[in-house]
Amino acid sequence: EDKVVQSPLSLVVHEGDTVTLNCSYEVTNFRSLLWYKQEKKAPTFLFMLTSSGIEKKSGRLSSILDKKELFSILNITATQTGDSAVYLCAALRSGSARQLTFGSGTQLTVLP
Amino acid sequence: AAGVIQSPRHLIKEKRETATLKCYPIPRHDTVYWYQQGPGQDPQFLISFYEKMQSDKGSIPDRFSAQQFSDYHSELNMSSLELGDSALYFCASSLLGGAGNIQYFGAGTRLSVL
Repeated sequence: EDKVVQSPLSLVVHEGDTVTLNCSYEVTNFRSLLWYKQEKKAPTFLFMLTSSGIEKKSGRLSSILDKKELFSILNITATQTGDSAVYLCAALRSGSARQLTFGSGTQLTVLP
Repeated sequence: AAGVIQSPRHLIKEKRETATLKCYPIPRHDTVYWYQQGPGQDPQFLISFYEKMQSDKGSIPDRFSAQQFSDYHSELNMSSLELGDSALYFCASSLLGGAGNIQYFGAGTRLSVL
């Protein structure tokens, strides 16, 4: 059975801190790993990682995938209160089965 | 840019009633996915459609059915509702083979079964 595990489950930091969110996976026919940000509504797409060792960046957010060790990290630097959300990682399989298997998410709270 | 549109946003039903949720994918997207997210849980895949044909099936109860129509919108039909069906139901769409098949999510329909 496919499994995606995120840690920590929750994190409370102050504005300006840097955080690292972890995601490990065990997925048959793994193709890609996706990160989403969820703020009480639809998950918003952040990154898709398919190749190992290539960092993707978007502003203060960056992410990288290690396909040998089967994990990914999401870094957020200089956090802001607007970064408060649940961050979900999800694994995408190759082949005809294209549904996402989600982790339980990391609840990030950024205090002013 | 156009996003995935879901309706209704909120729905309140009683036990044993039926409900129909609608999803309008991003224009030109050919694949639609349905997910169920219970309180405090991660989204669970229910079912997906590619070019109006069911492409994959997850943990969808037999009481639920879904289809994708000729205009690519999809409907999730839920019958004999139970209290445990109360959840946020997300629809996502993607373009198969495009941009790595990124799934974009709608705002969800919050279903409350009383």
